[in-house]
Formats: sequence, C-alpha cells, structure tokens
Amino acid sequence: DTGVSQNPRHKITKRGQNVTFRCDPISEHNRLYWYRQTLGQGPEFLTYFQNEAQLEKSRLLSDRFSAERPKGSFSTLEIQRTEQGDSAMYLCASRPFTGQGANYGYTFGSGTRLTVV
Amino acid sequence: ELKVEQNPLFLSMQEGKNYTIYCNYSTTSDRLYWYRQDPGKSLESLFVLLSNGAVKQEGRLMASLDTKARLSTLHITAAVHDLSATYFCAVDTYNAGNMLTFGGGTRLMVKP
Repeated sequence: DTGVSQNPRHKITKRGQNVTFRCDPISEHNRLYWYRQTLGQGPEFLTYFQNEAQLEKSRLLSDRFSAERPKGSFSTLEIQRTEQGDSAMYLCASRPFTGQGANYGYTFGSGTRLTVV
Repeated sequence: ELKVEQNPLFLSMQEGKNYTIYCNYSTTSDRLYWYRQDPGKSLESLFVLLSNGAVKQEGRLMASLDTKARLSTLHITAAVHDLSATYFCAVDTYNAGNMLTFGGGTRLMVKP
C-alpha cells in the first residue's frame, strides 16, 4: 500500500467552473477526511466518512461543496461554480476507526492545490 | 467549540539552540498530535500523545502532554537547519466526531 493518494496534484481553473478531486485512502482505513488549508493557516476540517456514510458535513464551506464516497473506498470532493476564495490546498486523510491502529493517527495525502483564476 | 492555539507563530533560531513550542486547547481531548509540514508539501506525522503525562522523543524533538493544563509542548534540542518547517499541533475528541482541529502552526527557521 502506497499511502493516501490524491489526484490531481494541481488544478488551475477559471472562476465559475466546477472541479472534482479524488482521494484514494489506505485500503484498510474505514474513515476518510477532507480538509482545506489556505496559505499560512492550519488545515480546516470539511467533512468525513465512515465507510460510505458521510457522518459530518455541516463544516462544508457552502452548498457549492459536496463530497461522496460511494463504495466506501475512494472519495471525491466537488466544488461547483468556483470562486477565487476557493484557492487552497485540499487535503485528504484516512485512518482506521477501530482496533489498535485507531490510536495511531491520521495519514494525510499529498493534497490537491487548487488555483482559481 | 474546540479551539487550538499555538505559540509562537514564528520562530527564528540559531543552530545548536534549544526552544519550545506551546500548544493550548480549550476542551477535553482524547488525543493530541504533532505534525510537520514543509513548504508546498503535505503533513508528516511526528507524534501521537494519548494520555496525561505522555512524553515521546524522536531525535532532536520531544513532545509532552499535560491534559489537566490542556497543554502540549514540542521541545527542540540543539536545532539543526533540517528542522526548518512549519509545525502543527492538532487535537481530536470523541465527542466532536473524532475530527482533527489544528492550531495555526509555528513556522520554524533554523539559521546556520
């Protein structure tokens, strides 16, 4: 297993366009998280899944943001009608929820850097 | 709402010196984490602290946790240039859905 994989690494889009990012977690990790990080700030929680169930989505920044994890494996984060303020690094993390591994933290992917022009 | 504050926000130090980064959090926590982030890169896990009094060391970095004071420290011993990075602490709580709440980060620059 090569860890948490995110694609694309970089995305430049024009304002008003829709974008979708993909996250492939570590295969045995049943929890998957999305975070946003703007320049000079700590990551900000957006949403998370346990298997295919989205357990928390109230922190998604607006109704333009949505996330799915249809089969409990990979996840997608979509931003509709992008705005310049959406420019940020979008990070995905996964972790096991139960068992001893649950005490050993979150594994983060390399992130997708979004630039809205 | 859980809040996590780090200080200092920026730290410039000479090689060979010692220093401590502080992380305060506002409510009871289940776990405290320290991460390192290099510019343009993702987060690298350094330590996971699970209980009051926990102390972990790796190389020149040592992290400790005082749950009664809601305080964690990251101590740097005899700093070297390779430690230059941004360091984040983060807290998760079962009652808050086991999501990480991050501090604002401490940008460390170690000068030769």
